[in-house]
Amino acid sequence: DGGITQSPKYLFRKEGQNVTLSCEQNLNHDAMYWYRQDPGQGLRLIYYSQIVNDFQKGDIAEGYSVSREKKESFPLTVTSAQKNPTAFYLCASTGRVDGYTFGSGTRLTVV
Amino acid sequence: ILNVEQSPQSLHVQEGDSTNFTCSFPSSNFYALHWYRWETAKSPEALFVMTLNGDEKKKGRISATLNTKEGYSYLYIKGSQPEDSATYLCALNVRGNNRLAFGKGNQVVVIP
Repeated sequence: DGGITQSPKYLFRKEGQNVTLSCEQNLNHDAMYWYRQDPGQGLRLIYYSQIVNDFQKGDIAEGYSVSREKKESFPLTVTSAQKNPTAFYLCASTGRVDGYTFGSGTRLTVV
Repeated sequence: ILNVEQSPQSLHVQEGDSTNFTCSFPSSNFYALHWYRWETAKSPEALFVMTLNGDEKKKGRISATLNTKEGYSYLYIKGSQPEDSATYLCALNVRGNNRLAFGKGNQVVVIP
């Protein structure tokens, strides 16, 4: 079955550490996105990629980095520069005419 | 940053009752309006993609309307059931950009 897989589901990180969240899709979608959700807030765009080897900053990119070396994969690194990394992270992808397909998310907690 | 507003933020509905809620968005450069259903611990699930002014779409007991001139969409749930309990997300696509701008969601709790 086609879909998006995010791993891990829960992640704990010590302050000052970088951590990478995985997002893999087998839908042959060109575009992929990373969103962050905080309590009482809508989904906010961190980074997106329209095509392999290309990506753009979203609305809240500071403290994050991404790569898009393969069509199927769009990992997000939360760096130590991100001041408030505890949040729920959601990955999505889309084809030309589809709506978005979402992963099931990763909850990151800084301890 | 596009401002997409959803109201009410949360609502409790008695089983069997019908309900509706609103998504408001800036109407300039409109391209498409998306509705998603997001159950706890699951992925958001696409309900509707609406593009034309006056569009009405239906999926089972859930339906949606779109007014692009005044910048709003309504989502209706007829005869609410406990399985309808979820957060309903509205998201806007503007012309020339396939990024989505999301509202905060309408959290619906159906009381048996």
